[in-house]
Amino acid sequence: ETGVTQTPRHLVMGMTNKKSLKCEQHLGHNAMYWYKQSAKKPLELMFVYNFKEQTENNSVPSRFSPECPNSSHLFLHLHTLQPEDSALYLCASSQGVLGYEQYFGPGTRLTVT
Amino acid sequence: AQSVTQPDIHITVSEGASLELRCNYSYGATPYLFWYVQSPGQGLQLLLKYFSGDTLVQGIKGFEAEFKRSQSSFNLRKPSVHWSDAAEYFCAVVGGADGLTFGKGTHLIIQP
Repeated sequence: ETGVTQTPRHLVMGMTNKKSLKCEQHLGHNAMYWYKQSAKKPLELMFVYNFKEQTENNSVPSRFSPECPNSSHLFLHLHTLQPEDSALYLCASSQGVLGYEQYFGPGTRLTVT
Repeated sequence: AQSVTQPDIHITVSEGASLELRCNYSYGATPYLFWYVQSPGQGLQLLLKYFSGDTLVQGIKGFEAEFKRSQSSFNLRKPSVHWSDAAEYFCAVVGGADGLTFGKGTHLIIQP
């Protein structure tokens, strides 16, 4: 595997379910990110991890819970989501946080029913 | 806080014609600027970046962009588009500790 991978690619879940999104980067980077991409809205930065430490949380509802066990893996735990949470969730990584290009995974298309 | 404006939501170009996608940013100091492309069902791929130095930067797939400080712009260009260039294009800026700020994107349609 090369680059940034995300699993699953598609996920349908009910509002009472609990699920997790997984991201893995094979680039030796130190920073990882979660973004939300909704139709007709700009990419929204959700969480930033630098050297496994969370450095940014952009007022994301607590029903989204990130976890970064090491610099290569990032999870997004989901529980009691709302239909408006349906979106493409993108993971990215970069060498550092400031001034570095980010490399993106293919995303997980999430549908909340 | 920094911001990015992509004034064109959709652009239609004939195959073989030249292309220019507009991007304006707002940031007090010299920003780091990026262009990304997203094909349907895919993540974002970096086309090119500007950090400092030469204001005309070359990227992958024959794209280039020019940084103009006086106009706060970083427009993307390609001399001759191919049908495979049809995609969503995002301009982004890094101007502080918040990581990347993206524009809303420009959807490029290629006419045969």
